[in-house]
Amino acid sequence: GAVVSQHPSRVICKSGTSVKIECRSLDFQATTMFWYRQFPKQSLMLMATSNEGSKATYEQGVEKDKFLINHASLTLSTLTVTSAHPEDSSFYICSASIGTGINYGYTFGSGTRLTVV
Amino acid sequence: DAKTTQPPSMDCAEGRAANLPCNHSTISGNEYVYWYRQIHSQGPQYIIHGLKNNETNEMASLIITEDRKSSTLILPHATLRDTAVYYCIVRVGSNYGQNFVFGPGTRLSVLP
Repeated sequence: GAVVSQHPSRVICKSGTSVKIECRSLDFQATTMFWYRQFPKQSLMLMATSNEGSKATYEQGVEKDKFLINHASLTLSTLTVTSAHPEDSSFYICSASIGTGINYGYTFGSGTRLTVV
Repeated sequence: DAKTTQPPSMDCAEGRAANLPCNHSTISGNEYVYWYRQIHSQGPQYIIHGLKNNETNEMASLIITEDRKSSTLILPHATLRDTAVYYCIVRVGSNYGQNFVFGPGTRLSVLP
């Protein structure tokens, strides 16, 4: 089946530094990818929608200058957390839509646990 | 997309069937019911989806009521590895480029 590979799975960084998270579609082309954030004991919250070759669309309250999204190819989207702070510590998950019609759905990456110290 | 309501938590004995309900009383005719689960510290995993007919695959069965206002996900023989948060999501199947909206889901605990 369609697989989305997300790296790294876990990262610890110092406050003030930047971290890049990669999301690759391995055996299909992903025109659109979605980035979610999940805090402990909470559900997934959409941060932004990433479209290949164009600017990402950010949800209300998500700083586009802090969470830089690049979707330069049909198989790769990246999320860069710039000038990270401890409150950015969270579980970040990407996903891509797959299939058409009755077989339409979403596949998710395995997530990235970011800890800012 | 229609809103869903699920119980916050459920317990199930290992080896027994786990029946997870979902209410989607405002579902419209072209909206599918999707079920995903999230095991701790992993990304959501697809389980099953359907429009109006009952569906079965190697993981689970999906029973949708005739009026489509509710559904039940059935794990026929729950194991400890089925402990996870289960999300019921309703959305238009062909609404390409639109994300899933996740509710709080049901935290299923499979007990030995």
